[in-house]
Amino acid sequence: QQQVKQSPQSLIVQKGGISIINCAYENTAFDYFPWYQQFPGKGPALLIAIRPDVSEKKEGRFTISFNKSAKQFSLHIMDSQPGDSATYFCAASPPGGNEKLTFGTGTRLTIIP
Amino acid sequence: DSGVTQTPKHLITATGQRVTLRCSPRSGDLSVYWYQQSLDQGLQFLIHYYNGEERAKGNILERFSAQQFPDLHSELNLSSLELGDSALYFCASSVRGYSYNEQFFGPGTRLTVL
Repeated sequence: QQQVKQSPQSLIVQKGGISIINCAYENTAFDYFPWYQQFPGKGPALLIAIRPDVSEKKEGRFTISFNKSAKQFSLHIMDSQPGDSATYFCAASPPGGNEKLTFGTGTRLTIIP
Repeated sequence: DSGVTQTPKHLITATGQRVTLRCSPRSGDLSVYWYQQSLDQGLQFLIHYYNGEERAKGNILERFSAQQFPDLHSELNLSSLELGDSALYFCASSVRGYSYNEQFFGPGTRLTVL
């Protein structure tokens, strides 16, 4: 049973545009929602994370939007750059910490000049 | 560089065999997590150790086991290997478990079972 559904599977965005990746979760007990960035040949790296007590969190060009009632959260990358080309994973974990992360299936983002 | 090291980088073996993957966490990190990344299953949490003790289990098969040693390095043992075990295995570490400390991922071990 996939508890975190991620879309789209792949995304092509022009340089300077906005990249948007969406995730939906089923388990209402989840209370920590991170996004990871993975470059080819590397392990995932934490990009930004949010707890459900806020609806939005912004760090530089990266923003998480969170909709608790819809059980959805999304990653927005503003002014997308070629260096942002990577695979992005959303994840979620139950209360008490982030030790049991459930990941989405990933989105391969390509930023074209 | 995350500071987490994994060896070997690549491993090719045959069905039915047993292999051991090794992970050294970042200096000072007490928690080690193991993940499996495959094309069909995505990234899946396997198991978490904190300061030598098992803390949480995810989708880990009974043929797989792990341990964390007093020097905090960890090993993931995979036995009776099947073709479907071919995947990237990542180790991650954090300062402590049962918290929201960032997990730092290693570069992974690519396992190929022939």
